[in-house]
Amino acid sequence: AQKITQTQPGMFVQEKEAVTLDCTYDTSDPSYGLFWYKQPSSGEMIFLIYQGSYDQQNATEGRYSLNFQKARKSANLVISASQLGDSAMYFCAQQGTSYGKLTFGQGTILTVHP
Amino acid sequence: NAGVMQNPRHLVRRRGQEARLRCSPMKGHSHVYWYRQLPEEGLKFMVYLQKENIIDESGMPKERFSAEFPKEGPSILRIQQVVRGDSAAYFCASSPTAANTEAFFGQGTRLTVV
Repeated sequence: AQKITQTQPGMFVQEKEAVTLDCTYDTSDPSYGLFWYKQPSSGEMIFLIYQGSYDQQNATEGRYSLNFQKARKSANLVISASQLGDSAMYFCAQQGTSYGKLTFGQGTILTVHP
Repeated sequence: NAGVMQNPRHLVRRRGQEARLRCSPMKGHSHVYWYRQLPEEGLKFMVYLQKENIIDESGMPKERFSAEFPKEGPSILRIQQVVRGDSAAYFCASSPTAANTEAFFGQGTRLTVV
């Protein structure tokens, strides 16, 4: 069984600063994928970034980067130069080997202060 | 190429009525996943379907819930005899293959049972 843990219920960051959102996972699958999604107050799920377990380099997408430490089973999201519009709930999710079913963490509410 | 379309966006049902939630996957996507998000929680997997087949329904409640993805038309999540505890956001995601690197989500249907 897969398990995703996000230990930070809420995080605060000053505008233009960087912030790291933690995510640890537990799986016995030999290969897997890790996702981060943003859920603003409007409720939709916005895909941010993907990391494959065999990818040699950490994934980056614009201001988002994924600090992937396979041995520690962690996949932390780093948001650089925070913007007010980044205030939202953020979910980490894992996909196993067989098919695209995602297991989600509990989420972290990020608040960006001006 | 339109994204994953879910309708209705909001649905209000009285206890004991039926709720039918529809999901049209992205063009060319034959894999559909349904998730439920209870208030203040992460998304929980319910069911995975391919055209005309249920592949994994391990997250579906044993009673009152059913899902289908017919050869023609959208995928349908059906909840019979709704109860207040069914109030949640229901999300659909689609992918072109089983092992996708980006799951595209619809905007969700928010079901309120009164």
